[in-house]
Amino acid sequence: QSALTQPRSVSGSPGQSVTISCTGTSSDIGGYNYVSWYQQHPGKAPKLMNIDVSKRPSGVPDRFSGSKSGTSATLGITGLQTGDEADYYCGTWHSSLSARVFGGGTKLTVL
Amino acid sequence: QVQLVQSGSELKKPGASVKISCKASGYTFSSYTMNWVRQAPGQGLEWMGWINTNTGNPTYAQGFTGRFVFSLDTSVTTAYLQISSLKAEDTAVYYCARDACDGGSCYPADWGQGTLVTVSS
Repeated sequence: QSALTQPRSVSGSPGQSVTISCTGTSSDIGGYNYVSWYQQHPGKAPKLMNIDVSKRPSGVPDRFSGSKSGTSATLGITGLQTGDEADYYCGTWHSSLSARVFGGGTKLTVL
Repeated sequence: QVQLVQSGSELKKPGASVKISCKASGYTFSSYTMNWVRQAPGQGLEWMGWINTNTGNPTYAQGFTGRFVFSLDTSVTTAYLQISSLKAEDTAVYYCARDACDGGSCYPADWGQGTLVTVSS
């Protein structure tokens, strides 16, 4: 059981927008602005897509954006493309566990 | 550019040991913490811990103490993960991931391609 809770799946059509939620507690998301999001295509390594809630690494399209409210974080993707179809994971630090934790992952399907 | 190149897939019998390597290049090796992350088949990411590449001091997450050892060879800018007394449930892809830091926050930023370890009799 993952420390952070994500929906198992979300879907959208090309061009549409979707959001992926990541719910935690005051010991993790609620205690830090540091929430990272990763994209993982099948058989590939995770790729960092968003950091520190709302910053994008160089090269990541501005179609991807992050936000946080209380103990939840959200990854938004606009202008969906077929290449966005992948698994997405959130991650942060958990103060009580003194450990990094990830969400269980969300499968994005672009219909 | 930052590159982390991991060793190839391994097939091991229960009870055996395995040592996975993660060769780093494109940055100052000793300046960034190296994480290890496990992904069991069809499952999510699980943080195993990290190693301070400056001091060599490892930190292990709950559930990854005893049989798991992180080590370094700074002369060849390589991090290692050794797993002993392998069990079927150790079957997974293991990733190394370099930390990056921005404004006081650090996070796994650059990932190796992963190493599949299969434990089967």
